[in-house]
Amino acid sequence: GAVVSQHPSWVICKSGTSVKIECRSLDFQATTMFWYRQFPKQSLMLMATSNEGSKATYEQGVEKDKFLINHASLTLSTLTVTSAHPEDSSFYICSARPAYNEQFFGPGTRLTVL
Amino acid sequence: QQQVKQSPQSLIVQKGGISIINCAYENTAFDYFPWYQQFPGKGPALLIAIRPDVSEKKEGRFTISFNKSAKQFSLHIMDSQPGDSATYFCAAPNQAGTALIFGKGTTLSVSS
Repeated sequence: GAVVSQHPSWVICKSGTSVKIECRSLDFQATTMFWYRQFPKQSLMLMATSNEGSKATYEQGVEKDKFLINHASLTLSTLTVTSAHPEDSSFYICSARPAYNEQFFGPGTRLTVL
Repeated sequence: QQQVKQSPQSLIVQKGGISIINCAYENTAFDYFPWYQQFPGKGPALLIAIRPDVSEKKEGRFTISFNKSAKQFSLHIMDSQPGDSATYFCAAPNQAGTALIFGKGTTLSVSS
């Protein structure tokens, strides 16, 4: 149980284009999902908290207009990187919370912006 | 502001040995302390977690020890195996209690 999927697992795009990443909880409902960013050999950095049916809460320093988050249902959250640039290249990981404090992570999405 | 401090940054252990990774936290309101295991190119996987009402929790070869007075918790991997080679992260709730904040990670290498 507690499986979280992400799609795509990797994506390469040109600078200036937008990329959408999907995060799904497959066997549980998640009122809250989270988006993290991880650079090579570094820890996970929380970008935003996504609550179903309401606006996402972004961490300080994260541009909400660049990283659009939509939590359309209890099992789906999407992250759209708008007008991507090479510095946005990173490993993006979502997580979902079925119960208080427990978080289960997706397999991650490797974004490369050329 | 870092809320969990993890050490060591890297660790090399012989096969069959004990791996010990430590974390120190600051916020005494924390009530959930998980450890995650991450392999390269994969998302973190929940390994084991503890709540502060117990001092130790064991699941197979993995044990969490919790010291509330010292505000520390540690992960012990008994009989370490090459397959345990990965990066391990401790985590704790943020001040709002809405998300997990991660330590900087420990890269474990188990030599055969």
